[in-house]
Amino acid sequence: GAVVSQHPSRVICKSGTSVKIECRSLDFQATTMFWYRQFPKQSLMLMATSNEGSKATYEQGVEKDKFLINHASLTLSTLTVTSAHPEDSSFYICSASSLERLNTEAFFGQGTRLTVV
Amino acid sequence: AQKITQTQPGMFVQEKEAVTLDCTYDTSDQSYGLFWYKQPSSGEMIFLIYQGSYDEQNATEGRYSLNFQKARKSANLVISASQLGDSAMYFCAMRESGTYKYIFGTGTRLKVLA
Repeated sequence: GAVVSQHPSRVICKSGTSVKIECRSLDFQATTMFWYRQFPKQSLMLMATSNEGSKATYEQGVEKDKFLINHASLTLSTLTVTSAHPEDSSFYICSASSLERLNTEAFFGQGTRLTVV
Repeated sequence: AQKITQTQPGMFVQEKEAVTLDCTYDTSDQSYGLFWYKQPSSGEMIFLIYQGSYDEQNATEGRYSLNFQKARKSANLVISASQLGDSAMYFCAMRESGTYKYIFGTGTRLKVLA
């Protein structure tokens, strides 16, 4: 299957700082990437959909200014959690797809566990 | 609105036995995809099996099979010959047509007993 790499796998940051999470598709061009958030023992909740070269589409209730998404190239999307607070602590996971792969399964990154102290 | 329901928060199964994880869905789309993913404690999402809404045969992938009952809107996962390594969280998901977004159920935590 396709490889999607997410980095870092774990990060601890102080309240008020910003954290950037990268999602890379290693062996295909990802025209679309999805960002999810998962609280402990809960399901994955879609935060936003990013298409290469255009602005991300955010799900209802997700703050655009808080969670900045950039998809500047066909192999890289980034999620920046700005002015992080303890309530932003969560597991963030991306998935990547392409026009050729939209009808196949989504390929996920390994996830990033963010802890804000 | 589209929805995935997994009613079993936790399940136990004896090693080498088969287990069925339930999933029901709700959609008004005619074309959709149903997926099962495994999430071990490390967090990554591992694709297990896929069923398209127009597929007449139930999908199978090794020890995994999907019991697709379209009229009942159910897509249960059957794991045969359970192994200790199958202990994990299992998510049923539906892909929306058009947007290609995935909607996930709440998951079932499976524990395989030796």
